[in-house]
Amino acid sequence: NAGVTQTPKFRVLKTGQSMTLLCAQDMNHEYMYWYRQDPGMGLRLIHYSVGEGTTAKGEVPDGYNVSRLKKQNFLLGLESAAPSQTSVYFCASAQVPNQPQHFGDGTRLSIL
Amino acid sequence: AQSVSQHNHHVILSEAASLELGCNYSYGGTVNLFWYVQYPGQHLQLLLKYFSGDPLVKGIKGFEAEFIKSKFSFNLRKPSVQWSDTAEYFCAVKPYSGAGSYQLTFGKGTKLSVIP
Repeated sequence: NAGVTQTPKFRVLKTGQSMTLLCAQDMNHEYMYWYRQDPGMGLRLIHYSVGEGTTAKGEVPDGYNVSRLKKQNFLLGLESAAPSQTSVYFCASAQVPNQPQHFGDGTRLSIL
Repeated sequence: AQSVSQHNHHVILSEAASLELGCNYSYGGTVNLFWYVQYPGQHLQLLLKYFSGDPLVKGIKGFEAEFIKSKFSFNLRKPSVQWSDTAEYFCAVKPYSGAGSYQLTFGKGTKLSVIP
């Protein structure tokens, strides 16, 4: 039982490049979340999904897009990467909102 | 929208000292409260949670937290810290229902360094 798996773990991009971060969970959870973690800022919610085929904006959605085509996967896309998007990205999932979220190991993304 | 304030950015303690990390939130309704811990290089793990009932909740590794509704606080405590408690601690709040109830709002975190 892997829980929440994020790929890749590390990536370096040049400004303007695009990429997709993948989050996969094997717990049959309905709710999935993408956060970014920056020093001194805690975790901030980028986008979330309340079920397959649904997505919604969080606190800092600009510059990101997401898709939830399959219940177990939640993709985070950067269409045109900017240095301000250098961060550690965490995915999380939960069966219901009132239960604790389970986190992946994170993706460290650097944009030059 | 709800917000969370953690008072201490960095706390340095010697082993066996007692720990209390402050957390205050702003939200007028019923909330769910959480403390997560992030050990160096790892993902966030749940320490404890409060949903309802006894305001003193016990979590893993000897941690506990007390919910004081009148003060909008959910402070984390441990009687005697160990070097292995060195980590970053995050308080998080979520409305029980209504707008924002799908989302956790995190504080900015408190780094704890325990000196052997």
